Amino acid sequence: DVKVTQSSRYLVKRTGEKVFLECVQDMDHENMFWYRQDPGLGLRLIYFSYDVKMKEKGDIPEGYSVSREKKERFSLILESASTNQTSMYLCASSFGSGRGPFSNEQFFGPGTRLTVL
Amino acid sequence: QQQVKQSPQSLIVQKGGISIINCAYENTAFDYFPWYQQFPGKGPALLIAIRPDVSEKKEGRFTISFNKSAKQFSLHIMDSQPGDSATYFCAASIRNSGGSNYKLTFGKGTLLTVNP
Repeated sequence: DVKVTQSSRYLVKRTGEKVFLECVQDMDHENMFWYRQDPGLGLRLIYFSYDVKMKEKGDIPEGYSVSREKKERFSLILESASTNQTSMYLCASSFGSGRGPFSNEQFFGPGTRLTVL
Repeated sequence: QQQVKQSPQSLIVQKGGISIINCAYENTAFDYFPWYQQFPGKGPALLIAIRPDVSEKKEGRFTISFNKSAKQFSLHIMDSQPGDSATYFCAASIRNSGGSNYKLTFGKGTLLTVNP
């Protein structure tokens, strides 16, 4: 079974703190993703990585950065947390290019609910 | 600009009924359309997916209907069960030069409640 684990289920931080969210996958997936999920807004892509040390901005990268030093690990960094970053953060991973027509399935972790006070 | 529009936002269905969730897209370059299911406290999980070379795909009680000319696709859940109560997301993707549809654009989600 594919497993995507996230370091914390719940996290409470203060405004201005530097926050690290960690994600680890055990399926040797090339691609990893960070989303935030907010009621009524669905899933919005923050950043993704298609290889070690490679990253691309998603739809809402402002206020976030990422790090991928090892294939299995993808970190989301909030340089200076703000209250509008209170959200559910979801990590996902998938295979890279073409292993069949439906090989693009993304496997999600359980999420980290971050509250910034 | 919302590239994938999903409706309704919420849906209540009686046990045994048919649940229908609709999505519309704008970008004709999309060529992969998955549906994800999310239970409370869990991350989303792939339910069923379709490519535009077919108009329908069925897996058990779940069917995707795809209308390329209308740029619409929908999820039908037959004989809906209380265990189907979850949030459903449609998504769409463009295949990159490497043949991968790795970047998904999600709809805003539909909260389905199936009453016993």
